[in-house]
Amino acid sequence: AQKITQTQPGMFVQEKEAVTLDCTYDTSDPSYGLFWYKQPSSGEMIFLIYQGSYDQQNATEGRYSLNFQKARKSANLVISASQLGDSAMYFCAMREGLSNFGNEKLTFGTGTRLTIIP
Amino acid sequence: DGGITQSPKYLFRKEGQNVTLSCEQNLNHDAMYWYRQDPGQGLRLIYYSQIVNDFQKGDIAEGYSVSREKKESFPLTVTSAQKNPTAFYLCASSIGRDMYGYTFGSGTRLTVV
Repeated sequence: AQKITQTQPGMFVQEKEAVTLDCTYDTSDPSYGLFWYKQPSSGEMIFLIYQGSYDQQNATEGRYSLNFQKARKSANLVISASQLGDSAMYFCAMREGLSNFGNEKLTFGTGTRLTIIP
Repeated sequence: DGGITQSPKYLFRKEGQNVTLSCEQNLNHDAMYWYRQDPGQGLRLIYYSQIVNDFQKGDIAEGYSVSREKKESFPLTVTSAQKNPTAFYLCASSIGRDMYGYTFGSGTRLTVV
């Protein structure tokens, strides 16, 4: 079974509109972390936002916020007031076993290609 | 500035040849990782290493080999046994429980000709 599922292969959004990128995850570990990365066409991975499984509030970083619904195992990324520079691939990732040293690898979803239309 | 350096950026290989991708970090991170990226498949873990002289297979290790002789270096060899090596390869590193401590290199695009 997929541990990270991103069901939107591609999205087109009008500039200045808000956009939500979906991510669902599957884990039985009570201690885990969820990440969102942006990958422009140049290929580098840019960290956007992090949410821990025990965090009480949804994470926010500037125009990025994470809509964390633990019971539904959902961690959607919300980008407010989209800009042309937001056009990129977006990946959701998970790290399980936060309390265990030596278990730091990330598992990635297949990504969503976001295109912002002027 | 600290970071991860991957080289070369582009690499062409003839079928049947082994090639080695370089990954060097000066962040003093203990853990290092190699991921492969294919279109529509996201990033898949090839190998990872938590400490020097130790490494573990990831999800798609067949046809690849690694070494970790120094903390700073984690080279990946794509062997002739890898049947479909054309892909984008990303190296990353992390430090312990710091959730913000993952750093990625800029990647190497390998093409078999």
